[in-house]
Formats: sequence, C-alpha cells, structure tokens
Amino acid sequence: DQQVKQNSPSLSVQEGRISILNCDYTNSMFDYFLWYKKYPAEGPTFLISISSIKDKNEDGRFTVFLNKSAKHLSLHIVPSQPGDSAVYFCAASAGFQSGGSNYKLTFGKGTLLTVNP
Amino acid sequence: ETGVTQTPRHLVMGMTNKKSLKCEQHLGHNAMYWYKQSAKKPLELMFVYSLEERVENNSVPSRFSPECPNSSHLFLHLHTLQPEDSALYLCASSQEAFKYQPQHFGDGTRLSIL
Repeated sequence: DQQVKQNSPSLSVQEGRISILNCDYTNSMFDYFLWYKKYPAEGPTFLISISSIKDKNEDGRFTVFLNKSAKHLSLHIVPSQPGDSAVYFCAASAGFQSGGSNYKLTFGKGTLLTVNP
Repeated sequence: ETGVTQTPRHLVMGMTNKKSLKCEQHLGHNAMYWYKQSAKKPLELMFVYSLEERVENNSVPSRFSPECPNSSHLFLHLHTLQPEDSALYLCASSQEAFKYQPQHFGDGTRLSIL
C-alpha cells in the first residue's frame, strides 16, 4: 500500500513556463515533506522541504505548497529551465515518537520532468 | 570530495559470489542508510545506522549484511544473491537518524545478478 503517491509518471513543460509537480499522501501522521531531484546515473539530490506547521516554503525558483486537509503537496518551478529536466521524488515522514514505521522516509515513485527549449 | 561517495558504481556478480558495496560520507553526519531501488518501485529502506549502531533492519534477507565501522563508512556485504536482488543500491547520510532533516544520497551502485 503506497503511502506517498505521484500519480503523474511524466510531465513536459516549455522553457520559461511554470512546472507543477504533485504528490498525495495517505498517512495523516506525516508531518515532514521533502522533494528530491534525480538525474540519470546520479543519486537523488535534496531540493526543498516543508514541515506541517507551514503551508509554503520557497527557495529561489522552487516553491513547495502543502495542503494538509487534502493531504497534498506540490512543487512549483518558475521559470522552468532545460537543466531542470530530471526525475522528481516526493518523500514524507513523521516524528520518531509517532510510532510504527512512520518515522521512516517514504518515497513516491517519481515524476519525470522534461523542460523543452 | 563529494558529500557521499559509493563504490563501485556498477557491479555484475554471479549468485554464488561474495562482494561488498562501500559508502563513505564527508559531511560529518552521524546517521547512514542503505536503500534499494528496483525498477518501477519507490526507494525501499534497508538498514539504518546511528553512531555506528544499527537502529533499523527493515526485514532484509540475511544474504545482505551491513557493517558500519565508524560514522563515516558503511558497507553492504553481499553473498548468495538472487536475480531479484538486481537493483540500484543507494547510500545516504543525515546529521541524526530519523529527525526532521534531509538525507543526502550517493550516486548508487547498479548491481546485476547473473
């Protein structure tokens, strides 16, 4: 049972436009969320994170939005650049005291973003 | 030196071989992790070490044997593997285990079992 879902396997965007990558989660204990970017033949690179006490976190061209009631987060990239073409993974976890295995980082399957020049 | 270094990058081995994967982190972190990524599947946590002590063993078969001699080095010893063990094996580190901190990944070892 997948607790973190990225329902779009791929997304294609024109250079300069906005890229919006979506992620849904089912575990209400999750309170820390991250986005990673992965190029072929490289490991995932941490991009940006957000805790559940916030609904938005911004870092340069990257903004993550969190909607706790909908159990949904999204990553916005503005403006998109060809170098942003990669697989983007959403991940989530809960505090160690939350019990069970919620404290482990749970990943989605990823979305392949292609930014066309 | 990059933050987390994994060797070898590629490994082909037979089912009866014994080999080891190596991970080294230069970030001064106290926690290290092994993950497995199979085709079309999300990353799966295998093992976690915090200050050289194993704190998580995620129901991994005994043919995978981790070793953490110090907080900078992590090994994954492999023996009698099965074809379904072919995957990308990723090492990661973080300042502390299971805290609200990002994990930093190496580039992985692509393992193929013949």
